Amino acid sequence: RKEVEQDPGPFNVPEGATVAFNCTYSNSASQSFFWYRQDCRKEPKLLMSVYSSGNEDGRFTAQLNRASQYISLLIRDSKLSDSATYLCVVRWGSARQLTFGSGTQLTVLP
Amino acid sequence: DVKVTQSSRYLVKRTGEKVFLECVQDMDHENMFWYRQDPGLGLRLIYFSYDVKMKEKGDIPEGYSVSREKKERFSLILESASTNQTSMYLCASRGGPVRGGDLGEPQHFGDGTRLSIL
Repeated sequence: RKEVEQDPGPFNVPEGATVAFNCTYSNSASQSFFWYRQDCRKEPKLLMSVYSSGNEDGRFTAQLNRASQYISLLIRDSKLSDSATYLCVVRWGSARQLTFGSGTQLTVLP
Repeated sequence: DVKVTQSSRYLVKRTGEKVFLECVQDMDHENMFWYRQDPGLGLRLIYFSYDVKMKEKGDIPEGYSVSREKKERFSLILESASTNQTSMYLCASRGGPVRGGDLGEPQHFGDGTRLSIL
């Protein structure tokens, strides 16, 4: 079983749609959670950190459910520029390294 | 803004060659990482370093070594390149040390080096 699992997609949605991604993690000692975005042939870039109480950044909302060990990302009013691969990222315990999911591919269609 | 610079965007080498990939960060970060990324396999950690001259193996260290002689620079070495090491290589850095219970700092990536071994 992978330590961080994501639905690979692809998710193809029309402009303006709301889309949600889920991610599950296996280690209950996980401490830090992030969503990264990766455009085609580019490096991953931090989209947002995920706080225990959930947090919002414009059209993006992240939620953490520690009991069920999953993280979600909600994108409202999708734009063409949101097309990318979204990576779920977890750090557990005192580990220095982050563990990345394989990513969920999103294509927003005109 | 954190700047992580990788020495080459594209590199072509031959089987058996010794290959050096260089990475420099400008934020005085303790932690530096080397990943490779392949279609369908996601990001896989090769090695990381949490201090000068310190290194730890990641998930796939075989066929690789690393060097961290200065805090800002982390080098990945392919001792004898093979075709299955053709990949996108990504360097990252992160502040620390990380303390249990805190949010933790995110990692910042370089642009990547697309390495082809012929």
